[in-house]
Amino acid sequence: TQLLEQSPQFLSIQEGENLTVYCNSSSVFSSLQWYRQEPGEGPVLLVTVVTGGEVKKLKRLTFQFGDARKDSSLHITAAQPGDTGLYLCKDDKIIFGKGTRLHILP
Amino acid sequence: NAGVTQTPKFRILKIGQSMTLQCTQDMNHNYMYWYRQDPGMGLKLIYYSVGAGITDKGEVPNGYNVSRSTTEDFPLRLELAAPSQTSVYFCASSYGVNYEQYFGPGTRLTVT
Repeated sequence: TQLLEQSPQFLSIQEGENLTVYCNSSSVFSSLQWYRQEPGEGPVLLVTVVTGGEVKKLKRLTFQFGDARKDSSLHITAAQPGDTGLYLCKDDKIIFGKGTRLHILP
Repeated sequence: NAGVTQTPKFRILKIGQSMTLQCTQDMNHNYMYWYRQDPGMGLKLIYYSVGAGITDKGEVPNGYNVSRSTTEDFPLRLELAAPSQTSVYFCASSYGVNYEQYFGPGTRLTVT
């Protein structure tokens, strides 16, 4: 069974700081997806990465897919309170990681 | 398009009661999923379906049943509700297994 390990589990930082969260596996994937879930809502897709080494930017969020397509990272620049939420990665089938719960303090 | 709709939004059940959580999507998606999310935790897959008439177990299927008689609907049945089933339940759908999943707003269930 494929397993997606997300780290850290929890992260609480001040507004304006930078942060990186990770999604790792020992398996190779054809793609990885990142979702964000805000409190009281269902998850919403942020990005899909499909090529090894690929970097995608979504405003202050930068997503990278590892060269070997086994891992991915999400970097947030100058975090804002609106970035608060649960960040989930998903493999190319039906498996979600357990998520990183991010809290940005104003 | 309404996307994925779920009813009810909230429900309180007594131990031993049963109920059906409804999920409907209007995007003609083949794949549909049921997840539960306990407080402060991630998503756990209960059941999924790759098309009408086909369902399969996920990570935590015990205590639940599903059916998929149409492309649009994927109801989740709880028999003999237990306090351990207190959770938020999300239904989702996607065009294929590697496509974006669209989530409903969730059903918050409390079993007391």
